[in-house]
Amino acid sequence: SQQGEEDPQALSIQEGENATMNCSYKTSINNLQWYRQNSGRGLVHLILIRSNEREKHSGRLRVTLDTSKKSSSLLITASRAADTASYFCATDGNTGNQFYFGTGTSLTVIP
Amino acid sequence: DGGITQSPKYLFRKEGQNVTLSCEQNLNHDAMYWYRQDPGQGLRLIYYSQIVNDFQKGDIAEGYSVSREKKESFPLTVTSAQKNPTAFYLCASTQTGRQGQPQHFGDGTRLSIL
Repeated sequence: SQQGEEDPQALSIQEGENATMNCSYKTSINNLQWYRQNSGRGLVHLILIRSNEREKHSGRLRVTLDTSKKSSSLLITASRAADTASYFCATDGNTGNQFYFGTGTSLTVIP
Repeated sequence: DGGITQSPKYLFRKEGQNVTLSCEQNLNHDAMYWYRQDPGQGLRLIYYSQIVNDFQKGDIAEGYSVSREKKESFPLTVTSAQKNPTAFYLCASTQTGRQGQPQHFGDGTRLSIL
């Protein structure tokens, strides 16, 4: 399986704190994407980083990518209760046709 | 509004029964995907289709079947051969032709055994 892994599996923080979650993957990639899933809902795309990029920002999100270590991190700054969700990384496995999702990090932001 | 519609939201299957999950998109996307999500786990690919009348098996295709007769529609049938069908099923679509296109997801169908 080419499924990646997120770390930690679960994270609980106070509102206003920063949340960092990590993703490791197994094969070479063209790009890596992060998604959010609210309970019982579908996934929503957050941000994409290409294999030739090292860091990318979007609002309160900051993503880094280290292709030599086959890992990525997602930082959510100044967290809000509405950020409570599961977060998944997804890679294209260098095929472009399939997407391989990690196991997810469950984030709880306490008001 | 453009998007992906999955129906029904909840579905119950009896022993020996085939059930079909609906997935419709009006995003004009070429590629469509079916994933299975078990509690506390990530998404596993069941089938995907890059173009009408063509589809490929994913990692866990056994016990499932699909069709792609129209660009907008990609129904998934969970057959009686799938012995552990209880899961959350997600349909997604994406535009092809350019790398790095995000996947758009429906809100899922939760399938349970009666």
